[in-house]
Amino acid sequence: KAGVTQTPRYLIKTRGQQVTLSCSPISGHRSVSWYQQTPGQGLQFLFEYFSETQRNKGNFPGRFSGRQFSNSRSEMNVSTLELGDSALYLCASSLRSSGSGWNEQFFGPGTRLTVL
Amino acid sequence: ILNVEQSPQSLHVQEGDSTNFTCSFPSSNFYALHWYRWETAKSPEALFVMTLNGDEKKKGRISATLNTKEGYSYLYIKGSQPEDSATYLCASNFGNEKLTFGTGTRLTIIP
Repeated sequence: KAGVTQTPRYLIKTRGQQVTLSCSPISGHRSVSWYQQTPGQGLQFLFEYFSETQRNKGNFPGRFSGRQFSNSRSEMNVSTLELGDSALYLCASSLRSSGSGWNEQFFGPGTRLTVL
Repeated sequence: ILNVEQSPQSLHVQEGDSTNFTCSFPSSNFYALHWYRWETAKSPEALFVMTLNGDEKKKGRISATLNTKEGYSYLYIKGSQPEDSATYLCASNFGNEKLTFGTGTRLTIIP
């Protein structure tokens, strides 16, 4: 079974631009969560999508948004990029949503975003 | 704000030695505790999920315990090997909701 895939793996943008990251979950998984990791910080939860609906949202500004398609693939968008958005963005998929039981998550390799 | 804390932040261990590190979390509204191993340039990999007070899980030389009443979990590695070098993350679900991660313990095994 193929794992979670994320594209692109690396991305360089400049301040003010916008970016879209993509995540394809494990086949059959309907929940996709997104996390941001910056140096010295743990994985910070951005949002979770389940069956095309945003189920949970972390404490990030409205510049961070996402969506999920009917095939469970998910995209994350960051508008008006700031230097502080430079980070590793990980997505994770799981069979169930976080609200329906403990939730083993399977992570992708991440997208490394650098904002200049 | 629900904080999950891990200690130590980093650790160097001689090959063959055993080691352990700690994850602390608020005990109220606890639902589940997860341990992940994250090797450099790879994806975080799930090690254990524990839900019950007193749970002990084992996978090869790695084991974990859970105390939900006092809010901590220990991860133990017996007879450390170079391939154990990684960052070990713990995360907790509170109230059956999203995972809150600690900042990790970075383990380096010295050959």
